[in-house]
Amino acid sequence: GNSVTQMEGPVTLSEEAFLTINCTYTATGYPSLFWYVQYPGEGLQLLLKATKADDKGSNKGFEATYRKETTSFHLEKGSVQVSDSAVYFCALSDTDSGYALNFGKGTSLLVTP
Amino acid sequence: DADVTQTPRNRITKTGKRIMLECSQTKGHDRMYWYRQDPGLGLRLIYYSFDVKDINKGEISDGYSVSRQAQAKFSLSLESAIPNQTALYFCATSDFTQSTDTQYFGPGTRLTVL
Repeated sequence: GNSVTQMEGPVTLSEEAFLTINCTYTATGYPSLFWYVQYPGEGLQLLLKATKADDKGSNKGFEATYRKETTSFHLEKGSVQVSDSAVYFCALSDTDSGYALNFGKGTSLLVTP
Repeated sequence: DADVTQTPRNRITKTGKRIMLECSQTKGHDRMYWYRQDPGLGLRLIYYSFDVKDINKGEISDGYSVSRQAQAKFSLSLESAIPNQTALYFCATSDFTQSTDTQYFGPGTRLTVL
């Protein structure tokens, strides 16, 4: 079946450091891929998405590229801020479940001043 | 105003009680979903619905039931709550007619079963 694996946290970085959160997937077909972010005490917000191979999603300085050859969708940001502290979820749309999202377990990021 | 709302936001109940969590949306989307979030496990799909007459079980539907009362409303029920149903519950919507499978989430309901 379809699944998503993302690096375990927590990840602690200093402000202005480079961020990478790894995400790999297993899927039949070519699902859309997503990164969602959950700030403390809040629901999930879409951060970025990519719908086909080689697409790059970007938003708020974050980027991720849909790599079919490595089945990956790693999240990157060149310079993190304290306000980026949150839990980040990688997900794919599961065509076998009405395009429900199949999530990774989440990676907690803490950015310190 | 929020596009996807959930009530209640927090609920504490006892084992064996019947609980209903409600979700409403003003986005006009046809598809609605219920997920459960547990620490370290991410979100898992409980039920999903394409429209009022089309309801489907997800990965972890045992112990839960749902009702799609209208396009805009999708309720999740726990007929007899048990402690391992303590979790954060999210409702989400999507509009596949827009050729996108992006989902929009409500703020969540934190349920504690004692």
